[in-house]
Amino acid sequence: DAKTTQPPSMDCAEGRAANLPCNHSTISGNEYVYWYRQIHSQGPQYIIHGLKNNETNEMASLIITEDRKSSTLILPHATLRDTAVYYCIVRVAGGGADGLTFGKGTHLIIQP
Amino acid sequence: DTGVSQDPRHKITKRGQNVTFRCDPISEHNRLYWYRQTLGQGPEFLTYFQNEAQLEKSRLLSDRFSAERPKGSFSTLEIQRTEQGDSAMYLCASSLDRALGPAFFGQGTRLTVV
Repeated sequence: DAKTTQPPSMDCAEGRAANLPCNHSTISGNEYVYWYRQIHSQGPQYIIHGLKNNETNEMASLIITEDRKSSTLILPHATLRDTAVYYCIVRVAGGGADGLTFGKGTHLIIQP
Repeated sequence: DTGVSQDPRHKITKRGQNVTFRCDPISEHNRLYWYRQTLGQGPEFLTYFQNEAQLEKSRLLSDRFSAERPKGSFSTLEIQRTEQGDSAMYLCASSLDRALGPAFFGQGTRLTVV
């Protein structure tokens, strides 16, 4: 079972910041938070990941709370092409099971 | 294109037939993963390789499924005696190393069993 909880769907206006929340209250100290997205009929696309510090790249920013029990993915200026299902995943960075466990994600719809 | 490549993109087969899919990972990625995704669900992990060694198999990987990565480069996923329930998108991903970086996915093979 997925170890994260996400809202099933969200809307955001084009040009505005999209803030996607994720709860991972049982996260362990050696588990990273990863975000992927999947546009219809395509393979998942890696967005960003982090352990405890906030991270930013050319696609998005990842804000992780101090207690690491939740995080927010921020798309700073959403476009119509950002409409997709966004998956928040926790993943251990050392031995044991290696596969990503996807939940149902958040279907983000960018409105024109 | 230096991304993960999967072939074919689409496959329609009759129930009971065998099918084989191929995945070419990103060059020099030593980890390779297979996932299955059914309509409306997130991808489900099937198995992964580190170089040529198959290190983990999900309980979803029944006896009719077999995966190989003979030289530590490309991989194949074979399904024997296909069933209608095998209809799904089969996704391949690769990564350099779990601790160092994320997995990158291919576009998948859509299997339809009729």
